[in-house]
Amino acid sequence: GAVVSQHPSWVICKSGTSVKIECRSLDFQATTMFWYRQFPKQSLMLMATSNEGSKATYEQGVEKDKFLINHASLTLSTLTVTSAHPEDSSFYICSARPSGRAGETQYFGPGTRLLVL
Amino acid sequence: GESVGLHLPTLSVQEGDNSIINCAYSNSASDYFIWYKQESGKGPQFIIDIRSNMDKRQGQRVTVLLNKTVKHLSLQIAATQPGDSAVYFCAETNQAGTALIFGKGTTLSVSS
Repeated sequence: GAVVSQHPSWVICKSGTSVKIECRSLDFQATTMFWYRQFPKQSLMLMATSNEGSKATYEQGVEKDKFLINHASLTLSTLTVTSAHPEDSSFYICSARPSGRAGETQYFGPGTRLLVL
Repeated sequence: GESVGLHLPTLSVQEGDNSIINCAYSNSASDYFIWYKQESGKGPQFIIDIRSNMDKRQGQRVTVLLNKTVKHLSLQIAATQPGDSAVYFCAETNQAGTALIFGKGTTLSVSS
């Protein structure tokens, strides 16, 4: 149980285009999902907290207009990288926290590797 | 500020040895800690967690120890196997208790 999927697993795009990444909780409902970014040989950096039915909460320094988050259902959150640039190339990982269990662990997706040319 | 760090970036052990990975945290108000394992190109995998009202918690081949006095967390892996080779992160709840803050990671290399 507690499986989280991401799609796509990797994507290559041209500079200036937008890329959407999906995060799904497959066998549980998640009121809250999280989006992280990880550069090579570095730790995970929290970008934003996604709450179903409300606006996402962004961490300091993360541009909300560039990284659009939508959490339209209890099993799906999407991250759209708008007008992507090479510096946005990274490993994007989502996680989901089962509903009704505040403070419990988060379950992570397999990640999406983005390469912007 | 909120930060979680690790003492050593790398740890090399022989198969069968016990491994100890350490982590120091800064937020004395944190009440929940987790260890994750991340293999190359994959998302973090939950290993074990512990709440601040506990000092020790055991799982299958893993033990987490929490010392709140010195704000120190450790992960012990018994009889380390080559499949345990990965990067290990400790994480703590942020001050609001709404998200996890990750440490820098320790790369564990297990040789046969």
